[in-house]
Amino acid sequence: AQSVTQPDIHITVSEGASLELRCNYSYGATPYLFWYVQSPGQGLQLLLKYFSGDTLVQGIKGFEAEFKRSQSSFNLRKPSVHWSDAAEYFCAVGADGNKLVFGAGTILRVKS
Amino acid sequence: GAVVSQHPSRVICKSGTSVKIECRSLDFQATTMFWYRQFPKKSLMLMATSNEGSKATYEQGVEKDKFLINHASLTLSTLTVTSAHPEDSSFYICSASMPGRAYEQYFGPGTRLTVT
Repeated sequence: AQSVTQPDIHITVSEGASLELRCNYSYGATPYLFWYVQSPGQGLQLLLKYFSGDTLVQGIKGFEAEFKRSQSSFNLRKPSVHWSDAAEYFCAVGADGNKLVFGAGTILRVKS
Repeated sequence: GAVVSQHPSRVICKSGTSVKIECRSLDFQATTMFWYRQFPKKSLMLMATSNEGSKATYEQGVEKDKFLINHASLTLSTLTVTSAHPEDSSFYICSASMPGRAYEQYFGPGTRLTVT
């Protein structure tokens, strides 16, 4: 069965510093991969997705992610974090029946 | 585009009563809608998948008689929590996907249910 691991529960970075959030997935074939962001008490917003092609994917709000098949990873990056990026981030993989399987999430704190 | 709304955003109900949550796709037709439950500081747990005009498919461990899902039109799905108990208190989120756009789900803002 498909699964997603986000090893970091919390990450704190300084405003203006770079960010990398880790995501590892388990899936036999080429996965469909997603990153979502959730602000407190809100639904999820899609940041970016990977289906095929270029393994470096650009998303909204200056985020990017790189698919590395050899490492079963899809890490999210941003070169310079803004205070408004503080939120919870979820990695997800597409599963049978058009479902999404989510990781446990990583809470990002931004310190000024 | 691809906006999904939920109503209400917050609801408080007494134990033993039922509460209905609506999920609407505002600017597209959603052949499939999903209902998730999110516990505090936890990830999203898929409860069920509903396709317009057919019965919902529930995930293992989700009581179909307690969480009634109806997907009567291409823009509306409802989740009714029947005979609610305090342990049903949670954040419920719906999502919707478009025809032919596998896995692309657009999420509603969520509904906070508190059962007293």
